[in-house]
Parts: sequence; C-alpha cells; structure tokens
Amino acid sequence: DQQVKQNSPSLSVQEGRISILNCDYTNSMFDYFLWYKKYPAEGPTFLISISSIKDKNEDGRFTVFLNKSAKHLSLHIVPSQPGDSAVYFCAASGEGNAGGTSYGKLTFGQGTILTVHP
Amino acid sequence: NAGVTQTPKFQVLKTGQSMTLQCAQDMNHNSMYWYRQDPGMGLRLIYYSASEGTTDKGEVPNGYNVSRLNKREFSLRLESAAPSQTSVYFCASSLQPVGVGELFFGEGSRLTVL
Repeated sequence: DQQVKQNSPSLSVQEGRISILNCDYTNSMFDYFLWYKKYPAEGPTFLISISSIKDKNEDGRFTVFLNKSAKHLSLHIVPSQPGDSAVYFCAASGEGNAGGTSYGKLTFGQGTILTVHP
Repeated sequence: NAGVTQTPKFQVLKTGQSMTLQCAQDMNHNSMYWYRQDPGMGLRLIYYSASEGTTDKGEVPNGYNVSRLNKREFSLRLESAAPSQTSVYFCASSLQPVGVGELFFGEGSRLTVL
C-alpha cells in the first residue's frame, strides 16, 4: 500500500524552463510534507517543506504547492538548471505513520529522476 | 562537520552470513533511523530510535535488528542475510523532540547478498 506516490519516474526539461514534479498521497492524516533531492552515490538532502496549514511555500527557485482536497503536492523549480538534475523524493509525515509518535518518521514516494538539459 | 557517517560503504555477503552496518552522527540529534532504498520503491523505514534507549519497528523490519548504542550511534544488524536484502541502506538522524523536521542522511551503504 503505497501511501505516497510519484507517478512520473522521470522528467526531462530544458535549462531555463520550469520543472514541475508531482506527488500524490492517500492518507489524510499526513500533515507535513517534504521534498528531498538525491545525487548518485550520495544520501538524500532536504530541499523544502510545507505544513498542511499552508498551501504554498517558496524558497528561492523552489516552490512547493499543497492541495489538501486533492491530496496532491507539487514542486516547481524555476528556472531549471543542469545542476538540478537529480532524483527528487517527496515525503510525508503525520499521524498516519504507523506506531508511536510520527515525528520524523517519513513515508517516501518512489522518486522522480529530473534531467535538465543545457 | 561530518554529519551522519555510515560504514561500510560497500559490502558483498553470501546468503546466511551476518553483518552489522554502523552509523554515527555528530549533530547531537536525538532520533536516528535506518531506511532502505530499492528501485521503484523509494525509501522505506526499517527501524528507528526516537531517543537514546528506545527502538521501534518501521515499515520493513523483518530480518533486521538494531542497537542504539548511545546518543551518537545506531547500528543495523542482518543476522542471516538473504538476497531480498540486497539494497542501499541509509542511516538518518533528526533533532527531536523539537517537532517534525528534516532528516539528515548518510551517504548510504550498498549491500549485495549473493
């Protein structure tokens, strides 16, 4: 039962254009969402997050949008740069995670490989 | 600042062999986690330790044991390795109980079980 889904395994965009990565979740108890970026042979690194009380959070070129009614979030990267090429994971946390406190226990999506072409 | 350090980075085992993955963090974080990453599956939580002295099962704990040795160190043990445990393992830590926050990950340990 995949509670967090990234249905696009890969995305290819041109440098300077917008990259939009999508994520859907099924558990309505999730109340905090994060995006992680992962380069090959490295661990994931935190990119941006959003609480369920907001519908948008912006940090430089990165903006995350949350649509609670649709259980959908998206990450926008504008403008995209070749250095943004990586695997992007969305993750969710909240009362929906099994057992005990949900703090820090993240449920991850499958990841989307983003390739930004020069 | 090393952050989260995992050893070994690579390991090849035969079915039935045992091994321990070591993890240490120097950020004075209270919580530590072990995840595995498999193609098409994302990262799945194996075990976590909310604070020193406590450990709990995650989503995929079967075949693994953990030890929270002290605040800095959290090890993952495979008692009898199986090919299904071939994966990339990530240790992570977070500052608790401040609240939900980001995890800091190590670089990963690639394990192959033949």
